[in-house]
Amino acid sequence: EAGVAQSPRYKIIEKRQSVAFWCNPISGHATLYWYQQILGQGPKLLIQFQNNGVVDDSQLPKDRFSAERLKGVDSTLKIQPAKLEDSAVYLCASSLVTSGTEAFFGQGTRLTVV
Amino acid sequence: TQLLEQSPQFLSIQEGENLTVYCNSSSVFSSLQWYRQEPGEGPVLLVTVVTGGEVKKLKRLTFQFGDARKDSSLHITAAQPGDTGLYLCAGVTSGTYKYIFGTGTRLKVLA
Repeated sequence: EAGVAQSPRYKIIEKRQSVAFWCNPISGHATLYWYQQILGQGPKLLIQFQNNGVVDDSQLPKDRFSAERLKGVDSTLKIQPAKLEDSAVYLCASSLVTSGTEAFFGQGTRLTVV
Repeated sequence: TQLLEQSPQFLSIQEGENLTVYCNSSSVFSSLQWYRQEPGEGPVLLVTVVTGGEVKKLKRLTFQFGDARKDSSLHITAAQPGDTGLYLCAGVTSGTYKYIFGTGTRLKVLA
């Protein structure tokens, strides 16, 4: 079974530039999550999708971050314009819609804003 | 905002020692999970505990869910260098199936 795929693995941009990350979840997983992980800390949920609908985006900085999940499969997360404090690893995860099941994570995209 | 505090934040021990990591919250979760994360990788699930007071053992790792389903602990017996990594607890909310991660415990086991 293929895992969660993310690209790119690494990205370096200057502040005020824009960047986009892509995620392909495990086939059949209705729920998709985007997390932001600052070095050495636990992941912070940015947005949760159920199929192509948003379940929770309360911690997404909507003035600069946007995310979509067209057709309920792949998802993209965009930052525009980027700030220095956006430097982090952006993790995508997917899971089946049942309590207590595992969230499967991709390897993440490490973003450095200079 | 639901928060999960882990302690200690960092732990450096010698091979063969025992250790306990704690995960505490003021919120009740439908289940609690423990993940381990290695550098450059995403977190990988170790265990899920569902029932208050539940204890699960995974080889040298023992996981306990608090009676009130607000806290959990992870105990490692006779730690080995291969146990080195970032340990994360995650509370799972009922209904929305949101995974709220703890602050993380970075463990280093020295040979």
